[in-house]
Amino acid sequence: SYVLTQPPSVSVAPGRTARITCGGNKIVSKSVHWYQQKPGQAPVLVIYYDSDRPSGIPERFSGSNSGDTATLTISRVEAGDEADYYCQVWDSSRDHVVFGGGTKLTVL
Amino acid sequence: EVQLVESGGGLVQPGGSLRLSCAASGFTFSSYWMHWVRQVPGKGLVWVSFINRDGSSTSYADSVEGRFTISRDNAKNTLYLQMNSLRAEDTAVYYCARDRRIRDFDYWGQGTLVTVSS
Repeated sequence: SYVLTQPPSVSVAPGRTARITCGGNKIVSKSVHWYQQKPGQAPVLVIYYDSDRPSGIPERFSGSNSGDTATLTISRVEAGDEADYYCQVWDSSRDHVVFGGGTKLTVL
Repeated sequence: EVQLVESGGGLVQPGGSLRLSCAASGFTFSSYWMHWVRQVPGKGLVWVSFINRDGSSTSYADSVEGRFTISRDNAKNTLYLQMNSLRAEDTAVYYCARDRRIRDFDYWGQGTLVTVSS
C-alpha cells in the first residue's frame, strides 16, 4: 500500500517560514492535499491539488509537489498557525485514501 | 451553510455493534461522495471508508474490511457507518467528511467518539 511520510515535528519562530514535507514514492504523479488540525477541532483543508488554496485560506499557505516529496510552506508564520498538519493522497490502485502521519508545527 | 453532524457514538463492548449517522445540510447531498475518517485521541487521521454519490461504489480500509459497512440515504441526506465485531483498536473519534472533487475533503463534521471496552 502507498505510504506517506511526514516529520513528526517542525519548529519555527514567528515571522519566519515553515516547510512541512510529505514523502511518497513518485508522489509527483498524485494530487496532494493538506489539512490543518488544531486541538479539539476537526481538520481544515488548507491546500488541494498540490498548490491550490480554498477560499478563506491565507495566501501565506502554499504547496508544491516534485519527485518524491510534496511540501507545505507557511510564510510569515503566526502563533495561530500552531497545529498538526496532514498530507493526503488518493491511491487509485486500491481506491483508498492515504494520510501522512502528521506533523506538529510549533511556533517558538 | 454546509453542516455535517455525526451521532451514534458511545461505549460498546468488544464484539459489539454500533451504527454511526452523519446528517448533512446546506448542500445537495446526493451530488457528493462521502467518507468516514477516524482518529485515536492524540494520534493521526486514518481513512476508513468512502461511498460514491448513489451508493453503488464503496471502499474500505484493510483494518475494517468485512466488519464495517458504509451506506447513505440521499432522501434523508444522511450517511451511515455500520460497525460490527468491534475491537478495542476501533476506539477513536469518527468524522464524516465531504469529498470536494477528487478525494479531498472540504467539510468535516465535529466527530463522534466510539469507545470499545469491557
